[in-house]
Amino acid sequence: GQNIDQPTEMTATEGAIVQINCTYQTSGFNGLFWYQQHAGEAPTFLSYNVLDGLEEKGRFSSFLSRSKGYSYLLLKELQMKDSASYLCAVRDSNDYKLSFGAGTTVTVRA
Amino acid sequence: DSGVTQTPKHLITATGQRVTLRCSPRSGDLSVYWYQQSLDQGLQFLIQYYNGEERAKGNILERFSAQQFPDLHSELNLSSLELGDSALYFCASSVDGQGGSPLHFGNGTRLTVT
Repeated sequence: GQNIDQPTEMTATEGAIVQINCTYQTSGFNGLFWYQQHAGEAPTFLSYNVLDGLEEKGRFSSFLSRSKGYSYLLLKELQMKDSASYLCAVRDSNDYKLSFGAGTTVTVRA
Repeated sequence: DSGVTQTPKHLITATGQRVTLRCSPRSGDLSVYWYQQSLDQGLQFLIQYYNGEERAKGNILERFSAQQFPDLHSELNLSSLELGDSALYFCASSVDGQGGSPLHFGNGTRLTVT
């Protein structure tokens, strides 16, 4: 099985940077995804990491350390529209299941 | 628009009833996933299909069943409905059922059991 932990809530100011951490335990690792979900809407894909290191995509970056079972999502130059829930998801290499963490609700304040 | 189509958008039914949720994956995607999201809960994995075959199973109740048809659309059947089954049910699809192909989610079916 998998155990995925991320903080429940974070608050930051418009224009600032926020880092959302995710730790996981899995019997077999086959990649980690980050998704954004606005309330009542479908999750949308942000990033994918399978090797250690940093992946950068515009204002969003994601980092992975497989040995530590750790990832973070970095949101730069925060905008009001970034207020959403951010979901960390891990794919298990044994059964291909993609399991999601409970999500981190980010609130961006003016 | 993710390209994944779910119908209906809303469903209101009574306890004990049976409903069917339908999902059409993105063109070219072979894998379909079903997730349940209750109020203030995370996405709970139910089941995954790849090219018509069941690939992975989560904590799906015995009252729930699913299948993927030859044209790759999928249906999730929920029976003997209980109040606690009220939730947003998402379907997602991906090119394959493993590795780094991201899941693309439909807009969900909101089920209310009264």
